[in-house]
Amino acid sequence: NAGVTQTPKFRILKIGQSMTLQCTQDMNHNYMYWYRQDPGMGLKLIYYSVGAGITDKGEVPNGYNVSRSTTEDFPLRLELAAPSQTSVYFCASSSPVNTEAFFGQGTRLTVV
Amino acid sequence: EDQVTQSPEALRLQEGESSSLNCSYTVSGLRGLFWYRQDPGKGPEFLFTLYSAGEEKEKERLKATLTKKESFLHITAPKPEDSATYLCAVQAGGGSEKLVFGKGTKLTVNP
Repeated sequence: NAGVTQTPKFRILKIGQSMTLQCTQDMNHNYMYWYRQDPGMGLKLIYYSVGAGITDKGEVPNGYNVSRSTTEDFPLRLELAAPSQTSVYFCASSSPVNTEAFFGQGTRLTVV
Repeated sequence: EDQVTQSPEALRLQEGESSSLNCSYTVSGLRGLFWYRQDPGKGPEFLFTLYSAGEEKEKERLKATLTKKESFLHITAPKPEDSATYLCAVQAGGGSEKLVFGKGTKLTVNP
């Protein structure tokens, strides 16, 4: 049972480039989340989804987009990367019954 | 707005020296309060969920408690392997599925 898998683990982008962070879970969880974690700032919610075809903005959605075409996958798209998007990104999933969220190992993104 | 404040920001203990971490919260109808452990370079790892004031949960040297305004994570006779950042998060009621996290407490246990 792999849990929540994120790819890539590390990435360096140039300003203005775009990329997609991949996230997949094999626990059949309805809810999925994307967080970013900056040093000393805690985890900030970017986007979340309560099921396939349903997404909603979190606390810091600007500069990002998401889609949820299947229960398993929840990719995060960065358009026109900016230095302010340098961060560690975590994907998580949970079920409505057992509300604890399970996290992936993270993607460390640097924008230069 | 839902808020979570953790204190202290950092805590250094000697092996065997018990202490507590604090998580104060303001939320519109608490659905659940969560404690996570995060090791450097890793994703947060779930520890406990608390749902109502007065509830307590234990796991090895860790014990989490909950009141109407705060939660404590008590660490009894810690070992160096307990060194990590401990995160607290709350989930509001009313249909919200979002978790709001505190900034964490970095715990270092020296041998």
